[in-house]
Amino acid sequence: GEDVEQSLFLSVREGDSSVINCTYTDSSSTYLYWYKQEPGAGLQLLTYIFSNMDMKQDQRLTVLLNKKDKHLSLRIADTQTGDSAIYFCADAGMNSGYSTLTFGKGTMLLVSP
Amino acid sequence: KAGVTQTPRYLIKTRGQQVTLSCSPISGHRSVSWYQQTPGQGLQFLFEYFSETQRNKGNFPGRFSGRQFSNSRSEMNVSTLELGDSALYLCASSLGSSHEQFFGPGTRLTVL
Repeated sequence: GEDVEQSLFLSVREGDSSVINCTYTDSSSTYLYWYKQEPGAGLQLLTYIFSNMDMKQDQRLTVLLNKKDKHLSLRIADTQTGDSAIYFCADAGMNSGYSTLTFGKGTMLLVSP
Repeated sequence: KAGVTQTPRYLIKTRGQQVTLSCSPISGHRSVSWYQQTPGQGLQFLFEYFSETQRNKGNFPGRFSGRQFSNSRSEMNVSTLELGDSALYLCASSLGSSHEQFFGPGTRLTVL
């Protein structure tokens, strides 16, 4: 079946940029998402990218998509301590009408002052 | 606009019991999806309901079931609880025609 892989942990200093990487296997992926989860909370949709795009920028967030290599990344500029959370990459396959998300295991981002 | 709400937020049950979780979607959203989150397996899709019909189903045993009401509120039921059912259960809503899913805070189920 489809699979999404992420590195498990990233530690950065406040003010630095963070880059979280993700690879996926589903060739039919149409939308790819980044969600954020803070302790004890649900998932917050941060941003998404359509599969025919290479890049999307949204304030401090930049998403890069390499469809050939099935590689997705999320760059957070000027990372703040409030960005400390778990970040999930997810894809939605066309066959499920976008309603079935396949998630990676999540990357824990720790931002130190 | 109010977000997705889930009740209860926390539940403690014992093995063999059954449990019902509730999800109220964002107003106007007709699709509700359920996910199970555990440390070992991560986030896994359970099922999706749209206009009171199950539209997609994940790979979970028949002990896991759900339904959706005419007001789009959804419930999921787990019967004959096992220790491994301890998890955070998340529901997400979307317009149905939209790909963006918005998640609730989850229900933390602990099975003893």
